Amino acid sequence: DAGITQSPRHKVTETGTPVTLRCHQTENHRYMYWYRQDPGHGLRLIHYSYGVKDTDKGEVSDGYSVSRSKTEDFLLTLESATSSQTSVYFCAISERDHEQYFGPGTRLTVT
Amino acid sequence: AQTVTQSQPEMSVQEAETVTLSCTYDTSESDYYLFWYKQPPSRQMILVIRQEAYKQQNATENRFSVNFQKAAKSFSLKISDSQLGDAAMYFCALGGVFGAGTILRVKS
Repeated sequence: DAGITQSPRHKVTETGTPVTLRCHQTENHRYMYWYRQDPGHGLRLIHYSYGVKDTDKGEVSDGYSVSRSKTEDFLLTLESATSSQTSVYFCAISERDHEQYFGPGTRLTVT
Repeated sequence: AQTVTQSQPEMSVQEAETVTLSCTYDTSESDYYLFWYKQPPSRQMILVIRQEAYKQQNATENRFSVNFQKAAKSFSLKISDSQLGDAAMYFCALGGVFGAGTILRVKS
């Protein structure tokens, strides 16, 4: 299994609070991604990174920001959590255009 | 924009039989990668099979094979000799763009 961890694995937070999810890899892959998974929508890309300090928006980036200060870490921040951001969040890594390897997911509940 | 469509929200198959999951996609690229991923109840996403668009030969991994029709932009997954452990959500993906998924149920 690819070395990808996500923390926390579960989180419950209140509307309006900031939340940061962490993805850590030990594979030295260049590309890292954040997805959210909701019933009926599959996985939707939030943001991705193609190198340290190089990030770009995905399909559903509103309300989210990311940072990548080291190759191995990719942080996803919900600046002010809303109930619509209740979801399961997956981190993935890859080399360009190749298959992605996924972390175990983080279940986030915003009350 | 790239899109991936899985038109079968749910499929069922009898154990030991064969099932085919459908996927169509759209892209303006000429060279790209297609994937099928499996997500069991554990939620862990697992790569099942990959296909490189410039390769005409259909990819095969043990009981899993694909029917890749580049002109039709179709990429179906065939599972032979279905097993109870194949029960999962299956996602078709074009690079990092995913379809909505197909739930596969396996009946004993």
